[in-house]
Amino acid sequence: AQSVTQPDIHITVSEGASLELRCNYSYGATPYLFWYVQSPGQGLQLLLKYFSGDTLVQGIKGFEAEFKRSQSSFNLRKPSVHWSDAAEYFCAVGARVGGKLIFGQGTELSVKP
Amino acid sequence: SQTIHQWPATLVQPVGSPLSLECTVEGTSNPNLYWYRQAAGRGLQLLFYSVGIGQISSEVPQNLSASRPQDRQFILSSKKLLLSDSGFYLCAWSLKVGGRETQYFGPGTRLLVL
Repeated sequence: AQSVTQPDIHITVSEGASLELRCNYSYGATPYLFWYVQSPGQGLQLLLKYFSGDTLVQGIKGFEAEFKRSQSSFNLRKPSVHWSDAAEYFCAVGARVGGKLIFGQGTELSVKP
Repeated sequence: SQTIHQWPATLVQPVGSPLSLECTVEGTSNPNLYWYRQAAGRGLQLLFYSVGIGQISSEVPQNLSASRPQDRQFILSSKKLLLSDSGFYLCAWSLKVGGRETQYFGPGTRLLVL
């Protein structure tokens, strides 16, 4: 069955520290991969996406993610976290045919001053 | 540029009452449209998607329904709300470019059923 796992429900990092949010997927073929961010009470904003090609993808707000086929992972990283990055982060996989997304349960990020 | 609107932003309804949530997209034509529900502390559940006017696919059996009366309008409805219908409802649109599809989300509607 197709699924997305975000192992960390909640992560706390200090402002200025580096960040890595984990995402593992189970899919029959190479999927399309996405990271979205959601601030409280808001919709989801697309951070970055991977379709093919270079496995290191740059996104908005200084985020990047690396697709590792051998590990079925698409981890999100940021070298230096800002207080405004506190939010919930969702990883999603998309079918190459049909376009439907399967979301992970999300990781809530808190940032300590 | 494309924008997506949802209304109302917040809704409090009694159990057994009807529901109508509206989603409209501007700046694009023939988008795929999606309704998701996000329950408190949980991920997103796809409820319905539509690839064109009058074409609706349901992902989860429930007392909700969806309609697409116009190309850029997607409506989520219920005849009788249940307590379990409470949640945050998100509409999304997508456009295929070269076979690759990206979904963009609206601001959401928070529904509380009492």
